[in-house]
Amino acid sequence: NAGVTQTPKFQVLKTGQSMTLQCAQDMNHEYMSWYRQDPGMGLRLIHYSVGAGITDQGEVPNGYNVSRSTTEDFPLRLLSAAPSQTSVYFCASSYQGKRGELFFGEGSRLTVL
Amino acid sequence: DAKTTQPPSMDCAEGRAANLPCNHSTISGNEYVYWYRQIHSQGPQYIIHGLKNNETNEMASLIITEDRKSSTLILPHATLRDTAVYYCIVRGDDKIIFGKGTRLHILP
Repeated sequence: NAGVTQTPKFQVLKTGQSMTLQCAQDMNHEYMSWYRQDPGMGLRLIHYSVGAGITDQGEVPNGYNVSRSTTEDFPLRLLSAAPSQTSVYFCASSYQGKRGELFFGEGSRLTVL
Repeated sequence: DAKTTQPPSMDCAEGRAANLPCNHSTISGNEYVYWYRQIHSQGPQYIIHGLKNNETNEMASLIITEDRKSSTLILPHATLRDTAVYYCIVRGDDKIIFGKGTRLHILP
């Protein structure tokens, strides 16, 4: 099993550009989520999904879109990147329910100039 | 999800037990307590979880108070490789919220 795979690992964007961070998992997990982590901060939840076709907002959803067309994939879209979105992004997945541990990807480091 | 409170940092001597506290006074009866750790800028790693009984695995022990309002993660023999940020979270159904965690420094 590959676990949770994020691409790209590094990306530099200019203000106003758009891009998609990809996240895929091969564990048949219902639950998937995106977090961002800024220096010295913990992880903040952006969006999450409890299954294909279902998404919901987390703590800091503004400026980000998500979709969940398949169980395996949960892409995060930045429609018009801003310097405030410079961060490290982590994707995570788990079985649904209170007893599912989260499995994290290795992270995607995004810089917006 | 219930919020958790952790000290921002702690020191522990190498070879000693590291005891990391977490307060979750608003936890609901069916919510689990989870612990994760993050080494450098890697993705967080699952350590242990529990509902109301104490739990132990190959990495750590988890002690949950009888009223479930607080818990303690115990690393029995801390090594330099245990230097990391440790997160205590409470999992309900959907939103899984992380705080800032505790930065654990293992002193040689």
